[in-house]
Amino acid sequence: RKEVEQDPGPFNVPEGATVAFNCTYSNSASQSFFWYRQDCRKEPKLLMSVYSSGNEDGRFTAQLNRASQYISLLIRDSKLSDSATYLCVVQTSGTYKYIFGTGTRLKVLA
Amino acid sequence: NAGVTQTPKFQVLKTGQSMTLQCAQDMNHNSMYWYRQDPGMGLRLIYYSASEGTTDKGEVPNGYNVSRLNKREFSLRLESAAPSQTSVYFCASRSGTGVSKDPYEQYFGPGTRLTVT
Repeated sequence: RKEVEQDPGPFNVPEGATVAFNCTYSNSASQSFFWYRQDCRKEPKLLMSVYSSGNEDGRFTAQLNRASQYISLLIRDSKLSDSATYLCVVQTSGTYKYIFGTGTRLKVLA
Repeated sequence: NAGVTQTPKFQVLKTGQSMTLQCAQDMNHNSMYWYRQDPGMGLRLIYYSASEGTTDKGEVPNGYNVSRLNKREFSLRLESAAPSQTSVYFCASRSGTGVSKDPYEQYFGPGTRLTVT
């Protein structure tokens, strides 16, 4: 089993739709969680960190469920510019290492 | 403030050739990382440097060496390139010191696309 697992998609959604991605992690010692966005042939860029209480940034909401060991990302009112691959990233407590999921590809259609 | 820079952007090597990928950051970050990204595999950690003067192996270190030249620079060397090392290589750096419980995010360079024939 991979340490961090994501549905690769693609998720094809119309503009204005709400879409949600989940990511599961296997190491219960994981302490920090992130969602990164990666455009085609570009470097990953931080979308948001995920806090235990959940957090929101505009149209984006991230949630953490430690009991079930998953994090989620909700995108409301999808824009064409949201089309990208979304990477789930987990850092294990006491290490400098970050484990990346393979990413979920989103296509927002006009 | 350029963030994380990488050179070269593209490189083609023949099997057996050697080369060094350069990475520099101007954010005064302590920790630096080298990843490779292959289709369907996600980013995999090759080596990292928690602080100046230290380096440690990641998930896929075989065939690579690294040097943390100073706080700013972290280079990745392929001594004898193989076709299996064809990939996109990303360098990253991270703020913060120690293994804090704070969520310190990583900042990535633009990547080096390497093809080994």
